[in-house]
Amino acid sequence: DTAVSQTPKYLVTQMGNDKSIKCEQNLGHDTMYWYKQDSKKFLKIMFSYNNKELIINETVPNRFSPKSPDKAHLNLHINSLELGDSAVYFCASSQETLYYEQYFGPGTRLTVT
Amino acid sequence: LAKTTQPISMDSYEGQEVNITCSHNNIATNDYITWYQQFPSQGPRFIIQGYKTKVTNEVASLFIPADRKSSTLSLPRVSLSDTAVYYCLVGDWGAGSYQLTFGKGTKLSVIP
Repeated sequence: DTAVSQTPKYLVTQMGNDKSIKCEQNLGHDTMYWYKQDSKKFLKIMFSYNNKELIINETVPNRFSPKSPDKAHLNLHINSLELGDSAVYFCASSQETLYYEQYFGPGTRLTVT
Repeated sequence: LAKTTQPISMDSYEGQEVNITCSHNNIATNDYITWYQQFPSQGPRFIIQGYKTKVTNEVASLFIPADRKSSTLSLPRVSLSDTAVYYCLVGDWGAGSYQLTFGKGTKLSVIP
């Protein structure tokens, strides 16, 4: 059973398009996260949701918006895609916020052309 | 913002003990220190977490001095399968918001 799953695994799209990446966790965790890993492998947190409330919000462009329909899902919507958005996006979850181990999904490789 | 500093890369022979140190001078009082391992094309995987002194589990040990401004991940008797990138993670209270900061990662290469 997959603990944290993401779809799609690969996403190729053109500049200016709007796209979404879905994430689901079946661990019963309270907190979910989105991370961005760029070509230099730097891993940076973008968002965190706890019980459907945004509790961490890095200074990411407002073209990025997390949406959580329920505790088990945290989707990432990206509007007006830019070349610089090309990266691997990871979803993660944890039982509680920050003090507990996080379980990461397999990643979504986004390529903007 | 707290910043973490790790060596960019390390090489080790199989069977040796490997120590990777992370510096985090601005760690907050309530922050924990967590280490992750990442293989190519996979998400990071939790290794170990601690607050102070020493923590040991089945795969690694974590040493944290009293001032908590650094931490050392110790991998005993590494094998080829330990070749990966290792990230240090600490919480940071900066600019009025709670932010997670990953270190830039240390690429460990285990040599046969």
